[in-house]
Amino acid sequence: DTAVSQTPKYLVTQMGNDKSIKCEQNLGHDTMYWYKQDSKKFLKIMFSYNNKELIINETVPNRFSPKSPDKAHLNLHINSLELGDSAVYFCASSFFSGDTQYFGPGTRLTVL
Amino acid sequence: KNQVEQSPQSLIILEGKNCTLQCNYTVSPFSNLRWYKQDTGRGPVSLTIMTFSENTKSNGRYTATLDADTKQSSLHITASQLSDSASYICVVSARAYKLVFGAGTILRVKS
Repeated sequence: DTAVSQTPKYLVTQMGNDKSIKCEQNLGHDTMYWYKQDSKKFLKIMFSYNNKELIINETVPNRFSPKSPDKAHLNLHINSLELGDSAVYFCASSFFSGDTQYFGPGTRLTVL
Repeated sequence: KNQVEQSPQSLIILEGKNCTLQCNYTVSPFSNLRWYKQDTGRGPVSLTIMTFSENTKSNGRYTATLDADTKQSSLHITASQLSDSASYICVVSARAYKLVFGAGTILRVKS
């Protein structure tokens, strides 16, 4: 299936732990994104990569570090998790920055 | 300040009825406006995209309008179905590829 996939779908962890969320797209897109959707359902962009290079980095704590090994993958690593990090994280991709985005199914992160 | 405001916050309608969702924006400079549909537990899916010169665009029972002068857009849903129950998000793109998201309108269609 052509799609944007994320793993895991659910992630429950303790405060202070380090965790990663993986994202892969097989749509041949050049640009990938990470979004955070809070409990009020508001989508907020965190990062955007174009051909493995960072092009958007909104005000996000340094504990969040995206890594793009190739243009089909954009992983999100989070250090020292905090309660406020609990949210649904969406990965997305598009042919170029500003084009229509295709979203993954989301990863629900719960920090206890 | 670049902002996108959507109204109403939530809406309940009966199956078969029509409804209209509103999006007002102050994003400048304007590049395009998109409407996304987000089903519960899923990622958003693009419904329509409109540039400055387009007034109306349809996708099945969904029709989006854009008035670039008043900086308003609407999404009209005709003959609603239960599967239309979702959150509808308006996203405005400024040049330099800055995306500004609205908070969304939660639509519930009842039988």
